Amino acid sequence: AQSVAQPEDQVNVAEGNPLTVKCTYSVSGNPYLFWYVQYPNRGLQFLLKYITGDNLVKGSYGFEAEFNKSQTSFHLKKPSALVSDSALYFCAVSPRENAGNMLTFGGGTRLMVKP
Amino acid sequence: GAGVSQSPSNKVTEKGKDVELRCDPISGHTALYWYRQSLGQGLEFLIYFQGNSAPDKSGLPSDRFSAERTGGSVSTLTIQRTQQEDSAVYLCASRLHDSYEQYFGPGTRLTVT
Repeated sequence: AQSVAQPEDQVNVAEGNPLTVKCTYSVSGNPYLFWYVQYPNRGLQFLLKYITGDNLVKGSYGFEAEFNKSQTSFHLKKPSALVSDSALYFCAVSPRENAGNMLTFGGGTRLMVKP
Repeated sequence: GAGVSQSPSNKVTEKGKDVELRCDPISGHTALYWYRQSLGQGLEFLIYFQGNSAPDKSGLPSDRFSAERTGGSVSTLTIQRTQQEDSAVYLCASRLHDSYEQYFGPGTRLTVT
């Protein structure tokens, strides 16, 4: 069975500083990896995905993530945080062999960006 | 274009009653998913539909939960004899056949009193 860990319940960062939200996973084979963001009382918004190819993937709103196979990690990063980035972030994994691509989510990390 | 829509946005029901939650996927998306988001369990997969194939029901927590998808589009999630532990936000998502990312609706917040 696959699992996703987001070790930090909350990440605090000052506006303009770089941010990192951590994600590690456990799944057999090479997974598909995703990041989603959830604003209050809203559904999940797709940010970016890793399917194959370059380990560094770029997504919406200036976010990027790096796939590290040896460390089974897929950390979300942004060079300069904005107050509007404050939200709940979810890492998700789908086994490549699973044709249905059902997602297994991490527990979420709340990002707080302070002015 | 229009995203995934869900109705109602909020539902309060008494323990033991049946509820139906509706999902309208993005037009042309052949895959449809239901997930549940609760404080205790986080985000968990419930059921998956792909085209006309039999649904994958492996995430349904009990036989009180069922779902159908009519005409390959709209889906209804039904919870019979609701229990307080069913209180959660129920999220629907859809995906284009040859794509990987899922697009989520705003969810239905279910409260069982």
